[in-house]
Amino acid sequence: DTEVTQTPKHLVMGMTNKKSLKCEQHMGHRAMYWYKQKAKKPPELMFVYSYEKLSINESVPSRFSPECPNSSLLNLHLHALQPEDSALYLCASSRNPRDRAHRDLYNEQFFGPGTRLTVL
Amino acid sequence: EDKVVQSPLSLVVHEGDTVTLNCSYEVTNFRSLLWYKQEKKAPTFLFMLTSSGIEKKSGRLSSILDKKELFSILNITATQTGDSAVYLCAVGLNYGGSQGNLIFGKGTKLSVKP
Repeated sequence: DTEVTQTPKHLVMGMTNKKSLKCEQHMGHRAMYWYKQKAKKPPELMFVYSYEKLSINESVPSRFSPECPNSSLLNLHLHALQPEDSALYLCASSRNPRDRAHRDLYNEQFFGPGTRLTVL
Repeated sequence: EDKVVQSPLSLVVHEGDTVTLNCSYEVTNFRSLLWYKQEKKAPTFLFMLTSSGIEKKSGRLSSILDKKELFSILNITATQTGDSAVYLCAVGLNYGGSQGNLIFGKGTKLSVKP
């Protein structure tokens, strides 16, 4: 299995709703990432998990709450979002540099298909 | 501040043409340079380059890195309409405080006309 899956594909939510985005990979990768991508812009890094621990939070507002329940799953919990949070949310995974046999590959990130989020 | 600059920002060609996309970078702690193709959804991995002067090839696509001059090019020969996409260049940083960080360029939008 060489893919990253994300659910749902599309999500429409109101500003008072609570929802979650899910990401799953079965490549044995121990680093997982959340990106936000606005139209005609490159992906922007939000969070990095390494060995199920949060290692990077790029000053993301607390209305976005990541969770990594195990090595294959990554969630992004959403609460009280704003219309400007509407975007494509991408999950990615890569090998971790502690994997010495594949140290050079840890920059090689594989992306999921994304969740298109619309906040009304 | 780390930055990755791609040029041109957009390009329109006809089927059969050869195109060259450019990516230059200024980063601390360079580890690798990656090319992705993005159509409507997720970026699809194309190449990762870590060594200078070694060309990577996959079918009609090829890429090379120059670590002295801090740039990379992506070549596509005999373009097809299916090559129409945004091509993203990203620089990967060394493991450490910026672990996992990819710095993306703004992308080059390629349109291939029949």
